[in-house]
Amino acid sequence: EVQLVQSGAEVKKPGESLKISCKGSGYSFTSYWIGWVRQMPGKGLEWMGIIYPGDSDTRYSPSFQGQVTISADKSISTAYLQWSSLKASDTAMYYCARQVDIVAYVDYWGQGTLVTVSS
Amino acid sequence: EIVLTQSPGTLSLSPGERATLSCRASQSVSSSYLAWYQQKPGQAPRLLIYGASSRATGIPDRFSGSGSGTDFTLTISRLEPEDFAVYYCQQYGSSPPGSFGQGTKLEIK
Repeated sequence: EVQLVQSGAEVKKPGESLKISCKGSGYSFTSYWIGWVRQMPGKGLEWMGIIYPGDSDTRYSPSFQGQVTISADKSISTAYLQWSSLKASDTAMYYCARQVDIVAYVDYWGQGTLVTVSS
Repeated sequence: EIVLTQSPGTLSLSPGERATLSCRASQSVSSSYLAWYQQKPGQAPRLLIYGASSRATGIPDRFSGSGSGTDFTLTISRLEPEDFAVYYCQQYGSSPPGSFGQGTKLEIK
């Protein structure tokens, strides 16, 4: 069974750093792309970026380029999304999402990680 | 960048009725690379339709997708109580990783 299991909810202060994770199982982790999607409170879905764990090829949506870093450790089948300095506006639910190719739909989603940034 | 506009923003219908949701793209979506997702409160989205008209595994046949170019439609033939949710379209044919529409909320009348 394909599963994407994300790390738990986080509460951080502005300016702090954060790295959240998404562990894949039940499939060949290095053969699929993993993307990250933001959903701000009460809002829609926004693509942030995507990575191919097989060779770490990474693409970012223009709105998120330079704001976050996406990485992966294929030895433990885990993808990451990180911030170096959080802002209150980063408060959102973050989903990881699997797709078979860079030009493809999402066939599996993680359960989401809620990030709250507040002083 | 392709912008997707979904309409209506909110659709109020009763169980048993037919729902028609629209997704319009600012440019032609190549190869009908258009997907639909359903999201219920507190849950992750779920894939319903890909390639504009192909149902994902396990999706009931009351869900159907159609369209090409810039105009796409998701139809739910007879609404069940569990179908009331928010629906998003997504184009994945350009500017990887693609873009989502703003969503249509399907609510019980």
